[in-house]
Amino acid sequence: DTEVTQTPKHLVMGMTNKKSLKCEQHMGHRAMYWYKQKAKKPPELMFVYSYEKLSINESVPSRFSPECPNSSLLNLHLHALQPEDSALYLCASSQGGGGTDTQYFGPGTRLTVL
Amino acid sequence: QQPVQSPQAVILREGEDAVINCSSSKALYSVHWYRQKHGEAPVFLMILLKGGEQKGHEKISASFNEKKQQSSLYLTASQLSYSGTYFCGTEGWNNDMRFGAGTRLTVKP
Repeated sequence: DTEVTQTPKHLVMGMTNKKSLKCEQHMGHRAMYWYKQKAKKPPELMFVYSYEKLSINESVPSRFSPECPNSSLLNLHLHALQPEDSALYLCASSQGGGGTDTQYFGPGTRLTVL
Repeated sequence: QQPVQSPQAVILREGEDAVINCSSSKALYSVHWYRQKHGEAPVFLMILLKGGEQKGHEKISASFNEKKQQSSLYLTASQLSYSGTYFCGTEGWNNDMRFGAGTRLTVKP
């Protein structure tokens, strides 16, 4: 089973709302990722968790707050977003680290900020 | 740093072949290839590792020149289902994946 699940599929929020995106995998993977993808652009790395510790934060604004409660779950907490944050948010996981493992992507959450 | 992909777009007839190229200015641990269809998540095709190991798709092949920091994806006897945007991703030792801008492939009947 190479499935990564993400909820919700779609999210519409106002600029003052607080919401969370959720990602789950049961493959025993120890690295998990958040990417942001705008239309007709490649996925852009936001955060990497390796063995439940934040290992990469690509200078993402503080209105995005990641959390890894355990090795199977990854959350992205959203607060006071801007309309330009509207995008497809993709979660991925891989076995471990070292740059040699396949990353498996979830279906994404399409976020619209009004 | 983002790898450079070429060409930006390709249009093929069914059964024709295509090559997509990817190059990087930094030393690579691995090169990953993904295909993304409109409105869907990227799907893994192939990973190429330093030392020549490859893991991936049966009908798609790829090469990785470590010295030149370049990779090419070979699509042979294309099918309609090959249409989509192909991304190469380059990864360092710390899982910092960077994707190229993508190559839009259209296969026509």
